[in-house]
Amino acid sequence: TQLLEQSPQFLSIQEGENLTVYCNSSSVFSSLQWYRQEPGEGPVLLVTVVTGGEVKKLKRLTFQFGDARKDSSLHITAAQPGDTGLYLCAGATQGAQKLVFGQGTRLTINP
Amino acid sequence: SAVISQKPSRDICQRGTSLTIQCQVDSQVTMMFWYRQQPGQSLTLIATANQGSEATYESGFVIDKFPISRPNLTFSTLTVSNMSPEDSSIYLCSVARGIGGTEAFFGQGTRLTVV
Repeated sequence: TQLLEQSPQFLSIQEGENLTVYCNSSSVFSSLQWYRQEPGEGPVLLVTVVTGGEVKKLKRLTFQFGDARKDSSLHITAAQPGDTGLYLCAGATQGAQKLVFGQGTRLTINP
Repeated sequence: SAVISQKPSRDICQRGTSLTIQCQVDSQVTMMFWYRQQPGQSLTLIATANQGSEATYESGFVIDKFPISRPNLTFSTLTVSNMSPEDSSIYLCSVARGIGGTEAFFGQGTRLTVV
């Protein structure tokens, strides 16, 4: 069974601070995605990383895929209240159509 | 991306009854996925629905409890049968697109409360 361990599960910080969320596994993934979910909505795709060591930036969000494609991180710089939400990582293994989801990180940014 | 319409968006149901959730996609897709998300938790895959064949259920989920229909390439339904309070959850349908066909796009979810 492939598992994605996501940490921390809860994070509450002040506006303007930086934070990093981690997603780790013992399995190799062909791609890994990050989603954000707000209350009353389905998860929304933020980014997909496919190459070991790949770094992608989305405004103040930086996503990195580990060299061995077993782990990933999401770093937010100067967090804002609008960043509040549930962040989910999800991995796809080679040839598989199903995604494996991490447990999620519930992020709260306080004004 | 994909536009996915899911309904109802929420419902409160009596225990012992059944609820059917509908999912409509704006274009044809081979596979549709149904997930459950319990309060404050991550997503658990219930089943994968292929058009023209029986749905494939994940461990812990059975067809008698969660029958699925997939009459065409743009539509699917999930029924939650003989409901109990433990079935209170958010139910989400999803399709896969994009890179490697693995990027997931979700409906807005159905928030089910069983009383």
